[in-house]
Amino acid sequence: AQSVTQLGSHVSVSEGALVLLRCNYSSSVPPYLFWYVQYPNQGLQLLLKYTSAATLVKGINGFEAEFKKSETSFHLTKPSAHMSDAAEYFCAVSAFSGNQFYFGTGTSLTVIP
Amino acid sequence: GAVVSQHPSWVICKSGTSVKIECRSLDFQATTMFWYRQFPKQSLMLMATSNEGSKATYEQGVEKDKFLINHASLTLSTLTVTSAHPEDSSFYICSAREDKNIQYFGAGTRLSVL
Repeated sequence: AQSVTQLGSHVSVSEGALVLLRCNYSSSVPPYLFWYVQYPNQGLQLLLKYTSAATLVKGINGFEAEFKKSETSFHLTKPSAHMSDAAEYFCAVSAFSGNQFYFGTGTSLTVIP
Repeated sequence: GAVVSQHPSWVICKSGTSVKIECRSLDFQATTMFWYRQFPKQSLMLMATSNEGSKATYEQGVEKDKFLINHASLTLSTLTVTSAHPEDSSFYICSAREDKNIQYFGAGTRLSVL
């Protein structure tokens, strides 16, 4: 079985500061891991994915995440926050051969000018 | 990336009526599509897995007679909320699976039942 825990339902950062959104996963099989972003009243947009290749994954809009098996983590980072990054972020896990996606409860990112 | 179109984006209906939501994969064929429900400020909860040409697989606690799913072609799945009630008001999101187990999401449908 798989599950995801996102620590911190709300994160606030100043514009230009480092963004760090935490995600820890639990999986009994090799996982696929994803970060999605959701803007108000919109669907989910894929930011990046880990599919057992490179452990450091680069995504869109300057985001990246590092898969750390020893820590069962897949934290999302961005060196410098922009106002347009304000949104809800979801981490998700799936078995590499499975259908089911398990989403975390989401982290709302606020960027302070 | 792959595009999934969901229609309508917003629907308001009277209690007791039925509402159909469409989910289309525009540039790829999707043998499997998924329907999620999202309550305000909460995460997505999988309602059902829709497989082309066969019956949908519903998650525990989801009424299959209430939420009818049809996946008649490789690019279209529909969700019909039958006899809608105010408690069915929610944000419904579909996704379609491309290869390599990547899901692409529609923009969602906000359902408001009066």
